[in-house]
Amino acid sequence: DIQMTQSPSSLSASVGDRITITCRASQTISNYLSWFQQNPGKAPKLLIYAASTLQSGVPSRFSGSGSGTDFTLTISSLQPEDFASYYCQQSYSTPPYSFGQGTKVEMK
Amino acid sequence: EVQLVESGGGLVQPGGSLRLSCVASGFTFSIHDMHWVRQAPGKGLEYVSTINSNGGSTYYANSVKGRFTISRDNSKNTLYLQMGSLRAEDMAVYYCARDGHGKRDAFDMWGQGTMVTVSS
Repeated sequence: DIQMTQSPSSLSASVGDRITITCRASQTISNYLSWFQQNPGKAPKLLIYAASTLQSGVPSRFSGSGSGTDFTLTISSLQPEDFASYYCQQSYSTPPYSFGQGTKVEMK
Repeated sequence: EVQLVESGGGLVQPGGSLRLSCVASGFTFSIHDMHWVRQAPGKGLEYVSTINSNGGSTYYANSVKGRFTISRDNSKNTLYLQMGSLRAEDMAVYYCARDGHGKRDAFDMWGQGTMVTVSS
C-alpha cells in the first residue's frame, strides 16, 4: 500500500502570510493527488485534484504543484477562513487511497 | 440539491454490528464509484472502503478487511457499509464520498458524516 507523509503537522501563521504544506508518497503516484480542507466538526472539502487543478469555487490563492512523489499545497495570502486542517490524499491505481496525517493551520 | 446524507450511526457494544447508509440526490448516482472514509475523535482522515459504480468491485483498508462490507443499491441511490465485529478503534465519524469523474478519482463530494460509538 502507498503511504503518504505530510508535513508539517501544524503551523502558526498570520493573515496575509504565504504558507506551504508538503506531501510525499512512498512510491510514484503520477499526479493522482488531492488536497482537502476541513474545519472542525465539518466534512472535508476538495480544494485541488490532479495535483494542481483547482476545484470549482475554490479561491485562486490556493495552488498545488508536484508530480511523482513530491507535492505541495500553497496558500498565497492566508485569509481568516483558511485557518483549518489540510489533508493530502493519493488516488493512484486501485484503492486503498491513503491520506496524509494532516496539517493544522493555526493563527499566530 | 446535490448531496449525500449518511445515517445509521449510534452506540454499539464491542463485537456488535451496525449498518450505515448514505443516500445520494441531485446527481446520477449509478455512474460514480463511491467511498467510505472515517475520522476518529481528534484524529485524521482514514480511508475505509470503495465500491465501483456497478457494485462489481470492492476494496477495503487492511484495518477493516473481513469485518466490513460495502455495497450499493443503484435503484435506491443508496450506499451501505455493513460493519461487524466492531472494536473500540472503529469509533469514528463515518463519511461517504463521491468519486469525481475526470478528476483523477478525487473525492469531490462528501456527506455530513454519522458518528459510530463503540462502547460497553
